Amino acid sequence: SYVLTQPPSVSVAPGQTARITCGGTKIGSKSVHWYRQKPGQAPVLVVHDDRDRPSGIPERFSGSNSGNTATLTISRVEAGDEADFYCQVWDSRSEFVVFGGGTKLTVL
Amino acid sequence: QVQLVQSGAEVKKPGASVKVSCKTSGYSFRNYYIHWVRQAPGQGLEWMGWVNPTSGGTMIGEKFQGRVTMTTVTSVSTAYMELTGLKSDDTAVYYCAKGLEVTVGSGFGIWGQGTVVTVSS
Repeated sequence: SYVLTQPPSVSVAPGQTARITCGGTKIGSKSVHWYRQKPGQAPVLVVHDDRDRPSGIPERFSGSNSGNTATLTISRVEAGDEADFYCQVWDSRSEFVVFGGGTKLTVL
Repeated sequence: QVQLVQSGAEVKKPGASVKVSCKTSGYSFRNYYIHWVRQAPGQGLEWMGWVNPTSGGTMIGEKFQGRVTMTTVTSVSTAYMELTGLKSDDTAVYYCAKGLEVTVGSGFGIWGQGTVVTVSS
């Protein structure tokens, strides 16, 4: 089955740029979606189809996807960005949805 | 606006079954897949499967095959997920989610509030 690999944690100072990676075999050929989840809340979609933002998501959130790695980039990080982030794809071969293990973003 | 409202918390004994509902509003229920995702305490998101409200067709993740049934009742725009043979490690928050677009591979644009299921003897 298809596997997505994320770093367990990423730390960044306020105002800096955070990059969260999501690795998978030929992930560049798939559409990657990213979610933010704060404690006790349901996940929220922040980037879909590699680089598109749903309405209401700040431009500070952007995505890219190529080769074996997709990346969520958060510019000008704020304390309120602290959360867990998950990548997700749909594997067309199995028709299964797959989530990465999640990355905890800490704002120093 | 689009809303997914789930049923309340459940406490079940090992071996029992649980059925969680997801009542939707604000959009054309038939046109969008409903996915179910769970999250055990302190763990990540785990996809369980999807149901197509138009056809009733489902795709259940390998881990849950044989134990999970996903259904819909279009007349009340509601999806259901039933999990049988409950074990302690089924203790989790269960979410329903709606695709942002009509394709099955779409990102999950709207989520229910989650239903806590606790399995304990």
